[in-house]
Amino acid sequence: EPEVTQTPSHQVTQMGQEVILRCVPISNHLYFYWYRQILGQKVEFLVSFYNNEISEKSEIFDDQFSVERPDGSNFTLKIRSTKLEDSAMYFCASSENGVGGANVLTFGAGSRLTVL
Amino acid sequence: SQQGEEDPQALSIQEGENATMNCSYKTSINNLQWYRQNSGRGLVHLILIRSNEREKHSGRLRVTLDTSKKSSSLLITASRAADTASYFCATTRHSGGYNKLIFGAGTRLAVHP
Repeated sequence: EPEVTQTPSHQVTQMGQEVILRCVPISNHLYFYWYRQILGQKVEFLVSFYNNEISEKSEIFDDQFSVERPDGSNFTLKIRSTKLEDSAMYFCASSENGVGGANVLTFGAGSRLTVL
Repeated sequence: SQQGEEDPQALSIQEGENATMNCSYKTSINNLQWYRQNSGRGLVHLILIRSNEREKHSGRLRVTLDTSKKSSSLLITASRAADTASYFCATTRHSGGYNKLIFGAGTRLAVHP
C-alpha cells in the first residue's frame, strides 16, 4: 500500500528558529497539502500545491511559511521564525488529482513540532 | 468561512451498538468526505459522497447527504472497540477553494467492550 512519509516524527526547537518539515508524497500523486492540528483541536488547512506552485492557502499560511518541491520526490514546509503558537502536529497529504474533483487525500503520520 | 461542524463532539457507546455522527456545513459543496483519526495518528479516508448523491454504503459505514439542509451523517453499525477514534467530515467548495479540503472539529467516538 503506497504511503505518505514524513520526517522528522518529532522536532523540538527554540522560538525564533527555522524549521523544515519534510514529506515524500505518493509517487503518482500530483497535488500536495499541508495541514496542522494543535493538540486536541481541529485539523486546519494550510496550503495546497500543484504544478510547482501554491494552489490555495489559508490565512494561517502567512509570510513565515513557505513550501517547496526541491526535487521529484520531496515536498517541504518551512517555518522561518517559529513562535510558541506554531507548536502542533503537521500533516502532509497528497492526492492523485484535486480534491474538488472528488479525489481523496492520503495523509502521512505527521510531524510533531514543539516550540520552546 | 465554509466548514463542516460535527455533532456530537463526543460519543460513548457499547460494543455492538450503532454510532451516528452528524456534520453540517455552510456553503454549496462539490463533495463531502469522512475521515478517521486514531489518537496521535494521521487521518484515514473512509468514504466520499458527491453533492448529487443522497446515500452511500461501505461495509459497516453508511453516509447520507442532505444538500437542502447542508448536512451529512455517518452511521457505523455494530460498533467494535477498534472503531474508537475521532471522525471528521470534510468538504470542498462548489466554487472557489477547489483544491482546499476543509475539516470540521470532529466527533470523538469511544466504543467500550
